[in-house]
Amino acid sequence: ILNVEQSPQSLHVQEGDSTNFTCSFPSSNFYALHWYRWETAKSPEALFVMTLNGDEKKKGRISATLNTKEGYSYLYIKGSQPEDSATYLCAFLTDSWGKLQFGAGTQVVVTP
Amino acid sequence: GAGVSQSPSNKVTEKGKDVELRCDPISGHTALYWYRQRLGQGLEFLIYFQGNSAPDKSGLPSDRFSAERTGESVSTLTIQRTQQEDSAVYLCASSRTEGYFLETQYFGPGTRLLVL
Repeated sequence: ILNVEQSPQSLHVQEGDSTNFTCSFPSSNFYALHWYRWETAKSPEALFVMTLNGDEKKKGRISATLNTKEGYSYLYIKGSQPEDSATYLCAFLTDSWGKLQFGAGTQVVVTP
Repeated sequence: GAGVSQSPSNKVTEKGKDVELRCDPISGHTALYWYRQRLGQGLEFLIYFQGNSAPDKSGLPSDRFSAERTGESVSTLTIQRTQQEDSAVYLCASSRTEGYFLETQYFGPGTRLLVL
């Protein structure tokens, strides 16, 4: 089983503040890294699929960077809003067919 | 269009009973995945189907677990002789193109299974 680690496990953010958290993954045999957002009582929703070292993706106030050589990805939330409250999951693609190894997630709570 | 659907949304069963969980993927999606999340743990891969190829069953935790898929449509995950440790949220996901690893996986709402 490959280790995909996310930190911190949870964080509380004041509305309007920016935050970031980490996903670390094996640096060998890299195919892709996925980021998902999972809100309570909803389905996990895809945010990004990242493949290239140095890649940076952005979706609204959320962005992510990727370092495949050292095996980490950061996800940033700029100007957090209460609707950003969710568990953010990263998932490492273990083969070319789509088999994902998920991290345990970072739970983000944004308070007004 | 319609997303991935799963049924039932909740299932309570007694230890030792068999349960069957259903997943309807997005139409046209050739790849289908099953995951589960037990309390306090991350999403755990169980099995995936890709077109007509043999499924990857490497994540199934025991031989009490099995899954089938009819062509490129419905999939059922069966758990025989359920145990309390089988209690979890079971999630199904599908994606468009088999073998193309950039494809996003689209998740269903999950089935919450509680084994008493």
